[in-house]
Amino acid sequence: EAQVTQNPRYLITVTGKKLTVTCSQNMNHEYMSWYRQDPGLGLRQIYYSMNVEVTDKGDVPEGYKVSRKEKRNFPLILESPSPNQTSLYFCASGYPLDTGELFFGEGSRLTVL
Amino acid sequence: GQNIDQPTEMTATEGAIVQINCTYQTSGFNGLFWYQQHAGEAPTFLSYNVLDGLEEKGRFSSFLSRSKGYSYLLLKELQMKDSASYLCAVRGAGGSYIPTFGRGTSLIVHP
Repeated sequence: EAQVTQNPRYLITVTGKKLTVTCSQNMNHEYMSWYRQDPGLGLRQIYYSMNVEVTDKGDVPEGYKVSRKEKRNFPLILESPSPNQTSLYFCASGYPLDTGELFFGEGSRLTVL
Repeated sequence: GQNIDQPTEMTATEGAIVQINCTYQTSGFNGLFWYQQHAGEAPTFLSYNVLDGLEEKGRFSSFLSRSKGYSYLLLKELQMKDSASYLCAVRGAGGSYIPTFGRGTSLIVHP
C-alpha cells in the first residue's frame, strides 16, 4: 500500500530534550516536505527536499533541522524543543513539478512542556 | 510571495450545494489545488486546476479564473461526511514550484 508513515504519532516532551520525528514514504517520490499546522494559521512549510542530499528552508524553519540521506526517509529534528513548537506536524511527499499532488502522513501531535 | 484568502468557516445543510471561494495573489502562477482535511486527519488531494474553467469530479467541482486570481470548490448533494476543512493551495511559477496553503475553510454540514 502506498503510504507516508510518521512516528511517533503522539509525543509529550519537555523543553530542551532533543527529539526526532521520522518520516518514510514507499512511493519513490523525490520530493518530501514537513509542515506544521496550528489553529488559525493553516499548514506552514518548515523544510522541504527536492531529492537526496538536497534540502531547503520553508516558511518557518527556525528551531528545526532535517536530513535526506535516503530517498525514502526525511526525519525532522528538534535539537532543543520549546513550547512554541507544540503543534501538529505533517510529512508529505509527491511530484511537485508534475500534478503537484502531495501525499500526507497521518500527522504527529507534539506537546512541549 | 503568495497571499491566499478563503473564508474561515461555512455551514450548509445536508443535500444542498455549497461553494467555497479562494482568492490569491501570487508572483507567477503554476496551478491551484484543493485538499480536504477531516479533523485530526491528514489532508487528502481533491483537485488541481492550471487552466481556466471548471473541472468536475463526481460531486466535487473546482473552478479557476487566472485573470481574477480566483477559484472555487463546489460541493453538490452534501453529505454529513463532507464536514471537514477545505484547503486551497497555490503554486507559483519559477523557484521550487512548491504550493503554498491557505488557512483553510471549515465546512459544517448539518441535517
